[in-house]
Amino acid sequence: EAGVAQSPRYKIIEKRQSVAFWCNPISGHATLYWYQQILGQGPKLLIQFQNNGVVDDSQLPKDRFSAERLKGVDSTLKIQPAKLEDSAVYLCASSLELAGVYEQYFGPGTRLTVT
Amino acid sequence: KQEVTQIPAALSVPEGENLVLNCSFTDSAIYNLQWFRQDPGKGLTSLLLIQSSQREQTSGRLNASLDKSSGRSTLYIAASQPGDSATYLCAVRLGGGGSNYKLTFGKGTLLTVNP
Repeated sequence: EAGVAQSPRYKIIEKRQSVAFWCNPISGHATLYWYQQILGQGPKLLIQFQNNGVVDDSQLPKDRFSAERLKGVDSTLKIQPAKLEDSAVYLCASSLELAGVYEQYFGPGTRLTVT
Repeated sequence: KQEVTQIPAALSVPEGENLVLNCSFTDSAIYNLQWFRQDPGKGLTSLLLIQSSQREQTSGRLNASLDKSSGRSTLYIAASQPGDSATYLCAVRLGGGGSNYKLTFGKGTLLTVNP
């Protein structure tokens, strides 16, 4: 079974530039998540999709971050314009309910450096 | 608001030792708790998932326990090996049903096993 795929793996941009990250979840997983992990911290949920719909985006800085999940499969996360404090690893995860168990599987992440 | 704390922040042990990592959470109304491993520059690998109705889960040399009423979980690693060196993260999902599967993470414990 293929895992969660993310690209690019690394990205360096200047502040005020824009950037986009891509995620392909595990086949058949209806739920997709984007997390932000700042160095030395645990991941923080930015947005959760259930199929095409948004379930939770309460911690997404909507003035500069946007995300979409077209056709309930792949997803993109965009930052425009980027700030220095956006430097972090952006993790995508997906999950599928099996007998009431929702186990999340994570991709390798995209390391973003904003200079 | 759920808060997850992991103690110690860092741990260094000689190879072969048994060790315990601790996780505490403030809201005991959880749905499940997951322990993850994160290697430098990599994504998260799920180690063990404990449902709220369970007391422990075991996988190989790993054993995780859950005491929901006291808001605590421990991860026990037996006969530690240098390959166990990584950051270990604890995450909880709140209960209450619905489709919000957000995980709240601790900051992790950085484990170093010395040969």
